Amino acid sequence: GAGVSQSPRYKVAKRGQDVALRCDPISGHVSLFWYQQALGQGPEFLTYFQNEAQLDKSGLPSDRFFAERPEGSVSTLKIQRTQQEDSAVYLCASSPTRTAFDTQYFGPGTRLTVL
Amino acid sequence: GIQVEQSPPDLILQEGANSTLRCNFSDSVNNLQWFHQNPWGQLINLFYIPSGTKQNGRLSATTVATERYSLLYISSSQTTDSGVYFCAGNYGGATNKLIFGTGTLLAVQP
Repeated sequence: GAGVSQSPRYKVAKRGQDVALRCDPISGHVSLFWYQQALGQGPEFLTYFQNEAQLDKSGLPSDRFFAERPEGSVSTLKIQRTQQEDSAVYLCASSPTRTAFDTQYFGPGTRLTVL
Repeated sequence: GIQVEQSPPDLILQEGANSTLRCNFSDSVNNLQWFHQNPWGQLINLFYIPSGTKQNGRLSATTVATERYSLLYISSSQTTDSGVYFCAGNYGGATNKLIFGTGTLLAVQP
């Protein structure tokens, strides 16, 4: 079946612009995660949704970052007033249930470059 | 905080060689996953392995949860095995987030 999809795959923004990154999880998956991967590093957690509820946003680096999943399926990560340090790959993952004992499946990522 | 360390950081192999990648974690995990990140950046699930041993073709993995480490074995390596290998632990709580290791960059030469 279809995996996790993300769009756009690449985004170039000028410093100060707002961007919106979309994630389509695997159909029916309860849990959705956003991660940020800087060049040469492992992914780092940003935020977590269980259905439409955002249960953890402790990894969001600043109040310029906002995520939503209003209907419990598609999610959008929005970054306001982008800065150069926001340049990274943003990865979305989903898992079938709400438990810790589940595989997370990752999308291809959105590579954001802020000039 | 919880730490996940991987070794070696870099590895160069000739095609056909075998290798072992190691992942040490600082606290008990609810689950442990191994991923291969290909040159296009896609994270591909290799194993979900909170404990015990699993095999999938030329790859196998073993997690010894009581000693807080996991091993990934690659046998008869191929050039398509090149990329970065990550282990990631899920420590539960309300979030179930994965904490990733530092990765092992593998280059398999023909």
